[in-house]
Amino acid sequence: DGGITQSPKYLFRKEGQNVTLSCEQNLNHDAMYWYRQDPGQGLRLIYYSQIVNDFQKGDIAEGYSVSREKKESFPLTVTSAQKNPTAFYLCASASGGAILNQYFGPGTRLLVL
Amino acid sequence: AQTVTQSQPEMSVQEAETVTLSCTYDTSESDYYLFWYKQPPSRQMILVIRQEAYKQQNATENRFSVNFQKAAKSFSLKISDSQLGDAAMYFCAYRSAQGGSEKLVFGKGTKLTVNP
Repeated sequence: DGGITQSPKYLFRKEGQNVTLSCEQNLNHDAMYWYRQDPGQGLRLIYYSQIVNDFQKGDIAEGYSVSREKKESFPLTVTSAQKNPTAFYLCASASGGAILNQYFGPGTRLLVL
Repeated sequence: AQTVTQSQPEMSVQEAETVTLSCTYDTSESDYYLFWYKQPPSRQMILVIRQEAYKQQNATENRFSVNFQKAAKSFSLKISDSQLGDAAMYFCAYRSAQGGSEKLVFGKGTKLTVNP
């Protein structure tokens, strides 16, 4: 089945630790995105990538890093510099063209121990 | 910067009835796209409907339709014949049509409850 997968579903981070969230898509989409969702809030863009080996910062990129070595994969690393990482993280992808409907994965819940 | 406002934090509707969720946005651009996303308890975001600003005709997808008022910068979602499975958070989102403007700007959402 075509779709977007995110793993793990739940992730626990210790103080000072870097953790990596996985996002994989088999939709052959060019563009991929990472969003953060806090309680009672809409989604905010962290990073996005329109093509392999290229990515841009979104509104809240500080404390996060990404890579795009393969079209199918766009992992997000939450670094120790992110002081408030507890949130729900959603990955999305979109096909090329002007409209770019974004389709979302099931999300990863990150909690700090 | 563009902003999206959903003024109804919560709404409820009786099963089989119709409900309208409100959304307003602020932009200086003339060409853009508007979306409604549904987030059920599973928390996966599901695209419900899309409206292109250059189109005067309101978008419709089965029981879901929009009322797009470009001059008023209003984009409401109407759900007809509401079903229990429609219960979810609904988010309105804006995206510029300018090249390279990849960002979706989201409102804070409206929680819809469907009563049997």
